[in-house]
Amino acid sequence: DVKVTQSSRYLVKRTGEKVFLECVQDMDHENMFWYRQDPGLGLRLIYFSYDVKMKEKGDIPEGYSVSREKKERFSLILESASTNQTSMYLCASNLRDRGSQFFGPGTRLTVL
Amino acid sequence: QKEVEQNSGPLSVPEGAIASLNCTYSDRGSQSFFWYRQYSGKSPELIMFIYSNGDKEDGRFTAQLNKASQYVSLLIRDSQPSDSATYLCAVKTSYDKVIFGPGTSLSVIP
Repeated sequence: DVKVTQSSRYLVKRTGEKVFLECVQDMDHENMFWYRQDPGLGLRLIYFSYDVKMKEKGDIPEGYSVSREKKERFSLILESASTNQTSMYLCASNLRDRGSQFFGPGTRLTVL
Repeated sequence: QKEVEQNSGPLSVPEGAIASLNCTYSDRGSQSFFWYRQYSGKSPELIMFIYSNGDKEDGRFTAQLNKASQYVSLLIRDSQPSDSATYLCAVKTSYDKVIFGPGTSLSVIP
């Protein structure tokens, strides 16, 4: 069964902290994505990766970085968390050249 | 013009009725179209995809695509309260990027 897992379902951090969100997929997918989802704004792409050690900026990369050292794992890093980064973060993956994506359960991050 | 547009809703239908969800897109070269269902507090899950003009049926769900009109829709027959969710339309564009619409909230009233 297809599976994308995320390290935490809920996370509370303080302003200025460094935050790591991890995503693991067991489907041998080449592509992995990080989105944030906010009411009224829909899904917005932060970063994606189409191969190990490769990364591409999405629509809203400011304040975020990513790391993909292994094919199955894609990490999102908030270098210095701010309150406007309070959001639901969703990881997704798919095979190269496929449009349909499989999503993880999401991490609801609150920055105080 | 936004790349993928949907009516935000909420769309309310009585149980047993047909729910019709609509989506328009701006990139005429788009080739692949997807519908995701997202329950409150959960992540999106793929329920339908369509590549060719016309209808594609899967159980109570029918996806309809009209590339000339740049329009894709999702029909849910015999709507059930368990269909109450937000439905996201996604389009794979000609420049190989998947764009999600803002979603339509559907409420099926028992």
